[in-house]
Amino acid sequence: GESVGLHLPTLSVQEGDNSIINCAYSNSASDYFIWYKQESGKGPQFIIDIRSNMDKRQGQRVTVLLNKTVKHLSLQIAATQPGDSAVYFCAENRGGETSGSRLTFGEGTQLTVNP
Amino acid sequence: DAMVIQNPRYQVTQFGKPVTLSCSQTLNHNVMYWYQQKSSQAPKLLFHYYDKDFNNEADTPDNFQSRRPNTSFCFLDIRSPGLGDAAMYLCATSRDPGRANGYTFGSGTRLTVV
Repeated sequence: GESVGLHLPTLSVQEGDNSIINCAYSNSASDYFIWYKQESGKGPQFIIDIRSNMDKRQGQRVTVLLNKTVKHLSLQIAATQPGDSAVYFCAENRGGETSGSRLTFGEGTQLTVNP
Repeated sequence: DAMVIQNPRYQVTQFGKPVTLSCSQTLNHNVMYWYQQKSSQAPKLLFHYYDKDFNNEADTPDNFQSRRPNTSFCFLDIRSPGLGDAAMYLCATSRDPGRANGYTFGSGTRLTVV
């Protein structure tokens, strides 16, 4: 079946370094992707999204890149801070206007920031 | 300022004993979702309501049911919880179909089955 998945289950970086979290997707019909951050015991927190007609989108300290040719999505975090330590999920948004959009999540990457 | 509220945060239930988890929202969003998240796994969509229309995922077991009596509230009923149903249950809402940045998640209810 089609799914959204992540390459690496864990990522450890030094404080101040840049982090790159990757995601592969297989549903070529999806037109919308989202990155979420989830801290222990909390619900997913929206970070940034990107539509399939874009290649890159920037937020505050975060950048999402989309490569539709190889169905690859990445999240770049600049100057990673200890507060960035969490599990990061990519998610694929599907669905229509009559039934509501639905999210399919990838498996998650645990980011650990070392002081 | 909590906008999607899930109660309780922690729920312990006995094997086979029906349990209900609740979700309320102050956002007036028309779509409400229930996700199941097992330890170290991604959230998995169980079903969602678009207004009053119920949309079940194909692989959601019949043991899981949902009710939405009004816009603000949505319930997850587990008719006969098994040990494998122990998980975090996340409620989410959205306003505009197709706009993922309209999603808001609750903090979840962690269910333990004993």
